[in-house]
This record gives sequence, C-alpha cells and structure tokens, in this order.
Amino acid sequence: LAKTTQPISMDSYEGQEVNITCSHNNIATNDYITWYQQFPSQGPRFIIQGYKTKVTNEVASLFIPADRKSSTLSLPRVSLSDTAVYYCLVGPDSNYQLIWGAGTKLIIKP
Amino acid sequence: EAQVTQNPRYLITVTGKKLTVTCSQNMNHEYMSWYRQDPGLGLRQIYYSMNVEVTDKGDVPEGYKVSRKEKRNFPLILESPSPNQTSLYFCASSFGVSGANVLTFGAGSRLTVL
Repeated sequence: LAKTTQPISMDSYEGQEVNITCSHNNIATNDYITWYQQFPSQGPRFIIQGYKTKVTNEVASLFIPADRKSSTLSLPRVSLSDTAVYYCLVGPDSNYQLIWGAGTKLIIKP
Repeated sequence: EAQVTQNPRYLITVTGKKLTVTCSQNMNHEYMSWYRQDPGLGLRQIYYSMNVEVTDKGDVPEGYKVSRKEKRNFPLILESPSPNQTSLYFCASSFGVSGANVLTFGAGSRLTVL
C-alpha cells in the first residue's frame, strides 16, 4: 500500500504555475520526501527532495509544512514539455523498499 | 556521463525461452534494483541488492532471478518467461538506501513474451 496520496490527474496551461500536493500522514521521522518525473516509456527522473520547510532548485520548489504530513511540488511557468507523470515518495520502509503510487498525470495545454 | 544502462531496450520472445536483461551503472552505487511497470499498476519492485553478493526479493519476485557478482552489474534473469511477464522493466541504482538517497533509472527494457 502506497504511503502517499496524490491527485490522479491535473490539467494546466503553458506559462502557469502548477502545484501538486501529496499527502503522507504516516511519514516517519527519518523519511525524506522525493519527487520524480516520468515521461512515457522512460525511466523516472529525480526532480527534487526535501526533509522540512522549503527547497528550491532550478526546475521546481518543494514546500513542506512543519508537521510534514503533506508536501507540495511547485512547477513555475510550465511548458508543454512538463506534461508527464509526477511521483511523490517517502521512505524507504523497513524492508528498504520505496512504494510507488500511481502518481499524478499532469497535462499542460497550449 | 553518469548513467544506468539496460540492454536490450526491446525484446520479443516466446514462452519458455530463457532470457537475461543486463543492467550496468558507472556511479559506484551500492544499491541496485529492478522494477516492472504495467498500465494502471505503477512501478513494482522485483528484486533489489544492497551490495555485491547481497540480493533480496521485492514485491513481485516470482519468475525472476538476479545476481550481483560485481558492484556495477545487476542482471535480471527470466528462466522460463511467460506472457504475464510482458512488461516494461527498469533498473535503478543509488548510493544507499536511506531516505536521502536518490535513484537513477535506466531507459527501460520493453519485453514481450508470446
């Protein structure tokens, strides 16, 4: 059973900021929150990772509230090429496994 | 370039014909893992390896074997493939298994078993 809950799909338009929220109510003290992006028929690719507060890199920001029970991936000014599936992961679990949920299918429209 | 390389990228085979999908990484990663991805089911872990000569089952190990004789290589073996093993397979690696470690994935191997 996935440790995270995300919306199944989202739509947005080019140039907009997109926020994808992930719920992880049972996050453990040692868990990091990691987001991956996957294009069709390609392997997932790391986007951003955080433990608490806010993290920003050249492609995205990650907002994590103090209770760490959720996180929000923010993609600034999206383009058509940001159309992909986005996965939120926490862990690994006690068996050293990362549980991958269904992810959020983001569709960017012109 | 740091990468995970899988071969073959595409393969069509027949039931019962043994095959091996190779995976190699050039990042000196200790942890390696195999996943399969099927429509509507997301990524499911088949086997993983914490280090050389250390392997363990993931969520869906039935019908698969792995070995880790060298740090850089982690082949996936299908001794007697069946049609339900038709899938998209990914190999991934990372330095370790703590939550801060980031997985690097291969490009994928699409396998069809007739």
